[in-house]
Amino acid sequence: LAKTTQPISMDSYEGQEVNITCSHNNIATNDYITWYQQFPSQGPRFIIQGYKTKVTNEVASLFIPADRKSSTLSLPRVSLSDTAVYYCLVGGANNLFFGTGTRLTVIP
Amino acid sequence: DADVTQTPRNRITKTGKRIMLECSQTKGHDRMYWYRQDPGLGLRLIYYSFDVKDINKGEISDGYSVSRQAQAKFSLSLESAIPNQTALYFCATSDPGGGQSSYNEQFFGPGTRLTVL
Repeated sequence: LAKTTQPISMDSYEGQEVNITCSHNNIATNDYITWYQQFPSQGPRFIIQGYKTKVTNEVASLFIPADRKSSTLSLPRVSLSDTAVYYCLVGGANNLFFGTGTRLTVIP
Repeated sequence: DADVTQTPRNRITKTGKRIMLECSQTKGHDRMYWYRQDPGLGLRLIYYSFDVKDINKGEISDGYSVSRQAQAKFSLSLESAIPNQTALYFCATSDPGGGQSSYNEQFFGPGTRLTVL
């Protein structure tokens, strides 16, 4: 079961780009890298997923180096509403491990 | 996600009582999951089901049981509740390989806040 390591917390000012890096040294060949966002007292919400290189959607970008042992979630120009916990997960649909995530606080 | 509902939303019970948490989904997904979340911690998987005939234990299944009554319904039971089962419980669904969602995309319900006194 591939586990991940990510910073416990981060602070950022509004309007800045935020990069959250996650390490997953034991990632398996078939594992995908997935990021979720969770607001207080709500269920997590899927943000983005990738296997290698770069993936971009309307919310975020995900950068994955060639060795796939880490990944970086990039949130462009964060706003106060982006204050949440962000989870990095690796694995397949039946063995996702959420961990404690990174608590991002956006400061006005 | 409004397509995944959980009942009750809040429940207070006493030690030793049996309690059932229910989850229903209208997404048509085969896979369903139960997680618990303790304050300040991440989610831990209790049980998961890939279809009505398939039930699997997760990371922390002791003290819990589940029932998959239909594709759309997945219930979690605490046979004899204890205070350290006080937590926020989430149900989720997924459809890996489905055309409209990503492989690891799970859709979560609003959660049930359970307090065991």
